[in-house]
Amino acid sequence: GAVVSQHPSRVICKSGTSVKIECRSLDFQATTMFWYRQFPKKSLMLMATSNEGSKATYEQGVEKDKFLINHASLTLSTLTVTSAHPEDSSFYICSAPVPRVSTDTQYFGPGTRLTVL
Amino acid sequence: GENVEQHPSTLSVQEGDSAVIKCTYSDSASNYFPWYKQELGKRPQLIIDIRSNVGEKKDQRIAVTLNKTAKHFSLHITETQPEDSAVYFCAATPPGYSTLTFGKGTMLLVSP
Repeated sequence: GAVVSQHPSRVICKSGTSVKIECRSLDFQATTMFWYRQFPKKSLMLMATSNEGSKATYEQGVEKDKFLINHASLTLSTLTVTSAHPEDSSFYICSAPVPRVSTDTQYFGPGTRLTVL
Repeated sequence: GENVEQHPSTLSVQEGDSAVIKCTYSDSASNYFPWYKQELGKRPQLIIDIRSNVGEKKDQRIAVTLNKTAKHFSLHITETQPEDSAVYFCAATPPGYSTLTFGKGTMLLVSP
């Protein structure tokens, strides 16, 4: 089946540092990937749409200078949380549609738990 | 944009009972409705989905129904088991977009 991986699964960093999270499609090419943020016991909130070879599309209220997205290849998108602060602590999950299944069906990565001290 | 409402927020059932989770959506043009199951600390996993040209879809103990006129869709789980305990999310996608709008989730607890 389609697999989406994320790395790291868990990261703890000091306030003010930057953290990079990778999202990879392992057995398919993803021209589009999505980044979500999930607070404890809450729903998934779309942060941005990552487009291979072009700029990401950010949802309203998401600071693009704080959450840098790079989709450099058809199998890799990265989310960099710049100058992280404790309020950025959250569960970050990526997803991607699998072309051989449908353009709608999204498969999620395992998520990255970010804790900013 | 699309708005998805999901009820109930929590649902407790006894093993073997049925569970029903309901969602409504606002954009009548939405045409794809997936359901995801998320266990604590893990990724959401697609369990079933339905498109607007179909009224019902079933996969073993899980079924989804869609009422386009009323703009609501429901997840039905029969013969619930403790391993069904998780948070379930519904979502909707308007045509021409691949982004999902999620409901707030339902925490299902199945007691043995």
